[in-house]
Amino acid sequence: TQLLEQSPQFLSIQEGENLTVYCNSSSVFSSLQWYRQEPGEGPVLLVTVVTGGEVKKLKRLTFQFGDARKDSSLHITAAQPGDTGLYLCAGANNAGNMLTFGGGTRLMVKP
Amino acid sequence: EAQVTQNPRYLITVTGKKLTVTCSQNMNHEYMSWYRQDPGLGLRQIYYSMNVEVTDKGDVPEGYKVSRKEKRNFPLILESPSPNQTSLYFCASAVGQGFYEQYFGPGTRLTVT
Repeated sequence: TQLLEQSPQFLSIQEGENLTVYCNSSSVFSSLQWYRQEPGEGPVLLVTVVTGGEVKKLKRLTFQFGDARKDSSLHITAAQPGDTGLYLCAGANNAGNMLTFGGGTRLMVKP
Repeated sequence: EAQVTQNPRYLITVTGKKLTVTCSQNMNHEYMSWYRQDPGLGLRQIYYSMNVEVTDKGDVPEGYKVSRKEKRNFPLILESPSPNQTSLYFCASAVGQGFYEQYFGPGTRLTVT
């Protein structure tokens, strides 16, 4: 079983601050995804990164896949209260049929 | 609207009483999967299906069954539920291998007493 360590587990910041969430593993993944989950709802896919070293931007969110495809980071610039939620990373195995999730980062952005 | 639906959303049952959680998607996705989410353990994959009549075990399949007789439906069956299966369950579907465009359902909160 592949493992994904996500850090930090909890993050409480003020509106306007920047933050980075990390997702690390000793295993290689064929792709890595980031999800955001609100209370009472299912996770919503934010991005999929496939190539080692790949960087994707989604408005104020920047996602990076490590060169060796073992780790990833999510950087949020100028966080807003609407960014509050549980952020999950998930790595796909080589066959692309099983997904391993990290433990999640619970982000709270205070106005 | 593209969506994955699950029923019921909440269920309280007793040990040993067979139950089924239904899952349906309207996107003609080939891949479907079930996950459970527990505090401190995150989301773990129970079973997945690459297409009709093709199912495979995930990381935590013990105590669960699934079937995929139609492309749109992927029910999760607990033949004899136990308290350690109390959890939040999510069904998901994706275009195919690689989990591109994976959509999750709203979740089913199951309590087994």
